[in-house]
Amino acid sequence: SQTIHQWPATLVQPVGSPLSLECTVEGTSNPNLYWYRQAAGRGLQLLFYSVGIGQISSEVPQNLSASRPQDRQFILSSKKLLLSDSGFYLCAWRDSGGVYNEQFFGPGTRLTVL
Amino acid sequence: DQQVKQNSPSLSVQEGRISILNCDYTNSMFDYFLWYKKYPAEGPTFLISISSIKDKNEDGRFTVFLNKSAKHLSLHIVPSQPGDSAVYFCAARPTNFGNEKLTFGTGTRLTIIP
Repeated sequence: SQTIHQWPATLVQPVGSPLSLECTVEGTSNPNLYWYRQAAGRGLQLLFYSVGIGQISSEVPQNLSASRPQDRQFILSSKKLLLSDSGFYLCAWRDSGGVYNEQFFGPGTRLTVL
Repeated sequence: DQQVKQNSPSLSVQEGRISILNCDYTNSMFDYFLWYKKYPAEGPTFLISISSIKDKNEDGRFTVFLNKSAKHLSLHIVPSQPGDSAVYFCAARPTNFGNEKLTFGTGTRLTIIP
């Protein structure tokens, strides 16, 4: 069966510090991968998605970036965090082989920028 | 521009009764719709989906109805149970190949009263 991991589970960082969140998927090949953010009281906002190694699409202009160095690894980064980057970050995957299939989410990372 | 709207931020329902969660969308290109359930500090879990060729899909206690002309869908939970208390997100996307964007609503917090 497929599983998706995210770490760390929680993170408290000062403004201006760098960020690296990691997501890995097991039990599948060539998944589509996604990064979402849920800010307090808001819905889920798609930040980035990837349909293959090295292929990243950005949905929202911001100071975040994403990379996919391996087939089942997706990394969210920032060089300098802003207060507004605080939120709950979710990684998700979807089987790339079909059209009518759902995305599966990881457990999330709670980021607090002080 | 909020293309998927959940106008009720919260809903309280007596245990054993029917819970009805509503969702409206504006993008006529959307033809695949999903409902997710989310507990605090966890990733969303997939509940049920429906494609635009259907107007109803049922899975156990959960039924999703789609009214394409009104651009409206609803999730019915019968009978409601205490474990159903969570935030429910409606999501939608087109199914044309290569379009990976899943647009989420802002969520409805459902509370089941024992």
